[in-house]
Amino acid sequence: QQQVKQSPQSLIVQKGGISIINCAYENTAFDYFPWYQQFPGKGPALLIAIRPDVSEKKEGRFTISFNKSAKQFSLHIMDSQPGDSATYFCAARINNQGGKLIFGQGTELSVKP
Amino acid sequence: EAQVTQNPRYLITVTGKKLTVTCSQNMNHEYMSWYRQDPGLGLRQIYYSMNVEVTDKGDVPEGYKVSRKEKRNFPLILESPSPNQTSLYFCASSPWGARETQYFGPGTRLLVL
Repeated sequence: QQQVKQSPQSLIVQKGGISIINCAYENTAFDYFPWYQQFPGKGPALLIAIRPDVSEKKEGRFTISFNKSAKQFSLHIMDSQPGDSATYFCAARINNQGGKLIFGQGTELSVKP
Repeated sequence: EAQVTQNPRYLITVTGKKLTVTCSQNMNHEYMSWYRQDPGLGLRQIYYSMNVEVTDKGDVPEGYKVSRKEKRNFPLILESPSPNQTSLYFCASSPWGARETQYFGPGTRLLVL
């Protein structure tokens, strides 16, 4: 199964709050898990990524938590800001298909002032 | 400036009228890919190319063609567009050594009447 299931579809958070987006997968051939951020009218851009041998990766206010046994990973945005309002996509790379990425369905995040 | 460019950015056409969406990157990347983005479905890969003259189908290739005659260009061709191809299209590129890090173009919004 090559799907990556992402939730929630949309999320509203108050400024300063924590935004949490979850993804789940079935395929054990996935070997790299990036998150992409997309602002309106723009293409997605790589935000942060993690490999499955690491349980957590933090870059500034953005943290990926990875649970290999549960086949789940999540993006946490601490101290959420209105400028974080965007659509977020999780993705997973298939290790034997030339770097192919499978994307989740996307989460539209709105951070209210 | 390193970038992926797409043209046109917006296109309205009618069923059956052949069209081409161009994609060009100036980063000397080997890997290029086309995606379509639809609400609730995330980004789905249409076609990809590992290098010049090497292309392969992604997850939703029906109704599309591509070519890779030059390293920098990867046009998407719709020979006979249909309304179900109304979507937001993204071209992406990445270096061979980091195929999981894809650089996306700004997108082309297509409406097929």
